[in-house]
Amino acid sequence: DAGVIQSPRHEVTEMGQEVTLRCKPISGHDYLFWYRQTMMRGLELLIYFNNNVPIDDSGMPEDRFSAKMPNASFSTLKIQPSEPRDSAVYFCASSLGGGAYTGELFFGEGSRLTVL
Amino acid sequence: AQSVTQLDSQVPVFEEAPVELRCNYSSSVSVYLFWYVQYPNQGLQLLLKYLSGSTLVKGINGFEAEFNKSQTSFHLRKPSVHISDTAEYFCAVSEKYGNKLVFGAGTILRVKS
Repeated sequence: DAGVIQSPRHEVTEMGQEVTLRCKPISGHDYLFWYRQTMMRGLELLIYFNNNVPIDDSGMPEDRFSAKMPNASFSTLKIQPSEPRDSAVYFCASSLGGGAYTGELFFGEGSRLTVL
Repeated sequence: AQSVTQLDSQVPVFEEAPVELRCNYSSSVSVYLFWYVQYPNQGLQLLLKYLSGSTLVKGINGFEAEFNKSQTSFHLRKPSVHISDTAEYFCAVSEKYGNKLVFGAGTILRVKS
């Protein structure tokens, strides 16, 4: 079975440009999470969805960040405009129902973003 | 709100030696506890979890962890490590019946030959 698929794996962009990160969760999973990993702050939960509906976006750092889940098999995380401090690895994870309650998250391989 | 403290940022150990990675948590409510492993350039994988019942939890690759409620700890142990165990290990906590998983800062385990 395919796991969580993220694209692009690496993105280098210049400050001020728009960045779109994409995620395809595991088929049948009903929860989707976006995390950001940096050396300074570790792993931070940005936002999560249940059945395509955003449930908690309190971790989204500022209005430059937005996330959507138009259907059960696709989600995007957009940064506009990007800044150097957004450089990080962004992980998407999904889980099935009770998995969300019991922490069984399945992670993608991450998208490494570098903003120059 | 929950928080997790991993007491060691790096743990170097020789192959076939035992290892313990320490984790303490803070929460005002009942929690679930987890250990995840991250190999270089990969996502995180669940190693083991404590939900309820026996406080000694066994996971994959020979790892185990013990939940100690009085000390609010969930230390990870392995009696004999291999080179392939070199990775970063994350302790995580979630509120019972909650959806948010809060991760510790991670501990890099370096196994030397």
